[in-house]
Amino acid sequence: AQSVTQPDIHITVSEGASLELRCNYSYGATPYLFWYVQSPGQGLQLLLKYFSGDTLVQGIKGFEAEFKRSQSSFNLRKPSVHWSDAAEYFCACTVYSGTYKYIFGTGTRLKVLA
Amino acid sequence: NAGVTQTPKFRILKIGQSMTLQCTQDMNHNYMYWYRQDPGMGLKLIYYSVGAGITDKGEVPNGYNVSRSTTEDFPLRLELAAPSQTSVYFCASSYSGTPWDEKLFFGSGTQLSVL
Repeated sequence: AQSVTQPDIHITVSEGASLELRCNYSYGATPYLFWYVQSPGQGLQLLLKYFSGDTLVQGIKGFEAEFKRSQSSFNLRKPSVHWSDAAEYFCACTVYSGTYKYIFGTGTRLKVLA
Repeated sequence: NAGVTQTPKFRILKIGQSMTLQCTQDMNHNYMYWYRQDPGMGLKLIYYSVGAGITDKGEVPNGYNVSRSTTEDFPLRLELAAPSQTSVYFCASSYSGTPWDEKLFFGSGTQLSVL
């Protein structure tokens, strides 16, 4: 069955430090991949997505992610974290079963130290 | 520009009670979804709809019902609430359901506790 794994439940970084959040997927074909961010008390907001082409995709708020087929990974990165980046981050893929459905990972909660 | 609106934001139910979580969107989206979010479990799809009058089950539909009489509204009904239904519920929508050219729009969630 298709699945998305986020190995890190919590990550703490200092403001200004670099960030990498890990995401691995299990899917037979090349999936459509996404990163969403959830700020406290809010719904999820799309950061970026990958469908095909360039494996390095740029998103909003200075985030980027790299698709690596050989590793079945789609890790999210940011060169310099801001305190406002503290949130929960979800990796997701879509699978087709009559219609496209999203499969979400379990999330990584990011804490930013001043 | 309201987007996806969910009501209520918080609710406490007693075991066995029933309630309806409301979701409405003003973007003329055809696809609407209900997810529940449990700690450490990510989001799980409860039900979805591809248009007015059409609904289908997701991963975890037991204990829930939905209807879609209009494009704008997609209420989620809990019958005979159980503690296992304590969760945060999110409604989401998209226009065409095709992930390559659009995104999901999420409401701000309903936090439900069943005691």
